Amino acid sequence: DIQMTQSPSPLSASVGDRLTITCQASQDISDNLSWIRQIPGRAPELLIYDVSDLETGVPSRFSGGGSGTHFTLTISGLQPEDSATYYCQQYESVPFTFGPGTKVHI
Amino acid sequence: EVHLVESGGGLVPPGQSLRLSCAASGFTFDDFAMFWVRQRPGKGLEWVAGISWNSDTFGYADSVKGRFTISRDNAKNSLFLQMNSLRPDDAALYYCAKSRVGAFFDVSGKLSDWGQGTLVTVSS
Repeated sequence: DIQMTQSPSPLSASVGDRLTITCQASQDISDNLSWIRQIPGRAPELLIYDVSDLETGVPSRFSGGGSGTHFTLTISGLQPEDSATYYCQQYESVPFTFGPGTKVHI
Repeated sequence: EVHLVESGGGLVPPGQSLRLSCAASGFTFDDFAMFWVRQRPGKGLEWVAGISWNSDTFGYADSVKGRFTISRDNAKNSLFLQMNSLRPDDAALYYCAKSRVGAFFDVSGKLSDWGQGTLVTVSS
C-alpha cells in the first residue's frame, strides 16, 4: 500500500497569512493526488484534485503543487473559516490512502 | 445538486453484522464509481471500499477485506456496505462518497461529494 505522510501538525496561523502544508507519498503517484478539507463537525469536501486543479466553487486562495512523491497545498490570505483539518489522498493505486491530516488553527 | 444520505448505523456487539445504505440523488448514479470512507472518533479519514458503476470491479482496504462487502443497486440509486464480524476498531463514522468523474473505481478515486455519515458503534 502507498503510505502518505503530512507535515507539520498542528499549525497555528493568523488571518491573512500564507500557509503551506506538505504531503509525501511513499512511492511515485504521478498526479493522482487530491486535497480534502474537513471543518469540525462537517463532512469532508474536495478542494483540489489532480495535484493542482481547483474544485468548482473553491476559492482561488487555495492552490496545489508538486509531482511524483512530494506535494503542497498553499492557502494565500487565510480566512477564519479555513480553520479545519486538511488531508491529502492518493488515487494512484488501491487502496486509495489518505494522509494523517494537518490541523490548522486560525 | 448531489445528495448522499447514509443510514443503517447503530450499536452492535463484537462479532455481529450491520448493513449500511447510501441513498443517492441529483446525478446519474450509474455513471459513477462509488466509495465508502470511515473516520474513527477523533481520528483521520480511512478509505474502506470502492465499486465500479456496473459492480464488476471493487476493492477493499486490507483492514476490512474478507469481512466487508460493497454493493450497489443502480435501479434504486443506492450503495451498500455489508459489514460482518465487526470488531471494536470498526467503530467509526462511515461516509458514502462519489467519484468526481469516472465509472471504474480503480481509476476514479478522487471523491467530489460526500454524505454526512452514519455512526457505527461496536461494543458489548
